[in-house]
Amino acid sequence: QSALTQPASVSGSPGQSITISCTGTSSDVGGYSYVSWYQHHPGKAPKLMIYDVSKRPSGLSNRFSGSKSGNTASLTISGLQAEDEAHYYCSSYTSSSTWVFGGGTKVTVL
Amino acid sequence: QVQLVESGGGEVQPGGSLRLSCAASGFTFSSHGMHWVRQAPGKGLEWVAFVGFAGSIKYSADSVKGRFTISRDNSKNTLFLQMNSLRPEDTAVYFCAKVLTGSPHYLDYWGQGALVTVSS
Repeated sequence: QSALTQPASVSGSPGQSITISCTGTSSDVGGYSYVSWYQHHPGKAPKLMIYDVSKRPSGLSNRFSGSKSGNTASLTISGLQAEDEAHYYCSSYTSSSTWVFGGGTKVTVL
Repeated sequence: QVQLVESGGGEVQPGGSLRLSCAASGFTFSSHGMHWVRQAPGKGLEWVAFVGFAGSIKYSADSVKGRFTISRDNSKNTLFLQMNSLRPEDTAVYFCAKVLTGSPHYLDYWGQGALVTVSS
C-alpha cells in the first residue's frame, strides 16, 4: 500500500487560509469516506483534527475544515495562527482492510 | 483523562525481537479497538497494525506481516506489539493509539511513543 500523496510543505501568513491536498486512489480515498487528518508537533502525540472527511472532534476550532472530491481529500486552515505550524497527515481506510497515511505536509506560518 | 503509555522500546540487533506494551487508562479499554503507528527518523507516520476491542480481529501492514503480532489483554488494560525478525528499517518511534468511540478508522488519543532502534 503506497502512502497517500501530500505536498511536502505549505506556507502562509497569519490570518490567511491554506489548503493541503491528499491524493490517493479509488481503493482508498476515492472509495471510502473514512478520511481523517492529524496534526503533529515534533516530540508530541499526534492530534486528530478531522474525521469522516469533514467532521471535527468536539472542541476543535472551526478554522479547520475538510472536504473530498474523487480521489483527493483536502484540509483547509483558515485564519492561520502561529500555533498551527506543525506537520499534518491525512489518513484513509483501504480496500485491503488496512489504513494508510499520507507522506505529511509541513505547515509554516510566515 | 485518557492516558496511553508505551514501554519496551530499546536497541536491538537485526534479526532480534522486542515486545512493546501500551498501558491504557481513563477509558473503557475493552470497548475500543487499538492501533500501532510508527514514525521512522525524519519520515512520516506509517500505520502498523490494528486489533479490535475483543482481540479477535487483527490487521497489519504488509511491511510487518508475518513478523509483528498485535495483541491485547483486556484484564490488564494493556496493548502489545510483538516484533520479531527486526530489520534496520523498523527503526522508529512506535505510537499506540485508541480509536474514536464507534469507529475503528480514527485515532483520537495517542501515546508519547517508544523508540525502537535496530542496529548492529
